[in-house]
Amino acid sequence: QKEVEQNSGPLSVPEGAIASLNCTYSDRGSQSFFWYRQYSGKSPELIMSIYSNGDKEDGRFTAQLNKASQYVSLLIRDSQPSDSATYLCAVIMIKAAGNKLTFGGGTRVLVKP
Amino acid sequence: GAGVSQSPRYKVAKRGQDVALRCDPISGHVSLFWYQQALGQGPEFLTYFQNEAQLDKSGLPSDRFFAERPEGSVSTLKIQRTQQEDSAVYLCASSLALDRAGETQYFGPGTRLLVL
Repeated sequence: QKEVEQNSGPLSVPEGAIASLNCTYSDRGSQSFFWYRQYSGKSPELIMSIYSNGDKEDGRFTAQLNKASQYVSLLIRDSQPSDSATYLCAVIMIKAAGNKLTFGGGTRVLVKP
Repeated sequence: GAGVSQSPRYKVAKRGQDVALRCDPISGHVSLFWYQQALGQGPEFLTYFQNEAQLDKSGLPSDRFFAERPEGSVSTLKIQRTQQEDSAVYLCASSLALDRAGETQYFGPGTRLLVL
């Protein structure tokens, strides 16, 4: 079992709809959670960070964290074709030296006009 | 300000050749990380520096991989006797690492290595 798991997709959503991405992690003591967006051939770009249970909103993006269930999700509202990318969930685990990130395999999102 | 830069952006090596990949972190960033990303996968941790000290090299796949950051800024990842399985994108990231707000890692554009 991988330490951070995501559905690989592709997740196909029509333009204007809500895209919902999920991520589960194995280390119950993890404290810091991140969503990165990666366009094909480009490097990961931070979208959201979340540290406390509940929701955190930033523009069209909402991150949700549930530490008891060990999952973190990302909602993209009013999806646009420019949101088509791979979304990487990353976790800093309690056991990690420094702040190294453990990534999931990514979920590919395809927004269709 | 300038972001993380990496060079070269692309490298083609013959199997058995040595390669050196360079990373220039954001100025003032204490922490520097190297990740390896295979096609269609998420990045995998290789090694971590805090200033010039290499505090974690648990992700380096073999003793052919070596990284250094002698003056606490620029870092070099060296791969000796490259093999085809080393073909991947090598990502460098840096962070302030002073507190939780400084945990955010900023990634460079990566070096795409192809070993023939």
